[in-house]
Amino acid sequence: GNSVTQMEGPVTLSEEAFLTINCTYTATGYPSLFWYVQYPGEGLQLLLKATKADDKGSNKGFEATYRKETTSFHLEKGSVQVSDSAVYFCALSEGRSNTGKLIFGQGTTLQVKP
Amino acid sequence: DGGITQSPKYLFRKEGQNVTLSCEQNLNHDAMYWYRQDPGQGLRLIYYSQIVNDFQKGDIAEGYSVSREKKESFPLTVTSAQKNPTAFYLCASSLRGENTGELFFGEGSRLTVL
Repeated sequence: GNSVTQMEGPVTLSEEAFLTINCTYTATGYPSLFWYVQYPGEGLQLLLKATKADDKGSNKGFEATYRKETTSFHLEKGSVQVSDSAVYFCALSEGRSNTGKLIFGQGTTLQVKP
Repeated sequence: DGGITQSPKYLFRKEGQNVTLSCEQNLNHDAMYWYRQDPGQGLRLIYYSQIVNDFQKGDIAEGYSVSREKKESFPLTVTSAQKNPTAFYLCASSLRGENTGELFFGEGSRLTVL
């Protein structure tokens, strides 16, 4: 079945460091890929998305490129801030299905220290 | 403001009791979802509904029940049959047939079984 695997956390960085959170997926068909962010005590918010191969999603300085050849959707940011501390979830939707169901990775906690 | 409201935010339950978590949305979305979040396991789908008076089981429906009598409301009952109910529960909604995967989440309800 379809699945998403993220790198283990927590990831601890100093402010202004470069961030990479790895995400790989297994899927049949043509899934769309997403990164969601969860700040402490809150629900999830969509951070960025890509709907087809080679698309790059970007938002708030974060970027991720849909790589079909490596089945990856790694999240990157050039310079993190303390306010970026949160849990990040990679997710995929199941191709052309219109159910809206998402499959989530286990989440990666990011801690940014001043 | 439009959004999803979950209540209560924190709930304590004795073993053997049923408890109902409320989820209300004013986004005019057709589809609604319940996810369970456990540490290190990401989000797992419990139930989802794409239209009033219809709903489907997700990956971990055992021990849970839902109803969808109104478009705005999708309450989740955690029954005494759920063997490990202590978790963080997230409700979400989306446009029906929208394959962009953008889910809008509530802030969650944390259930603790004493």
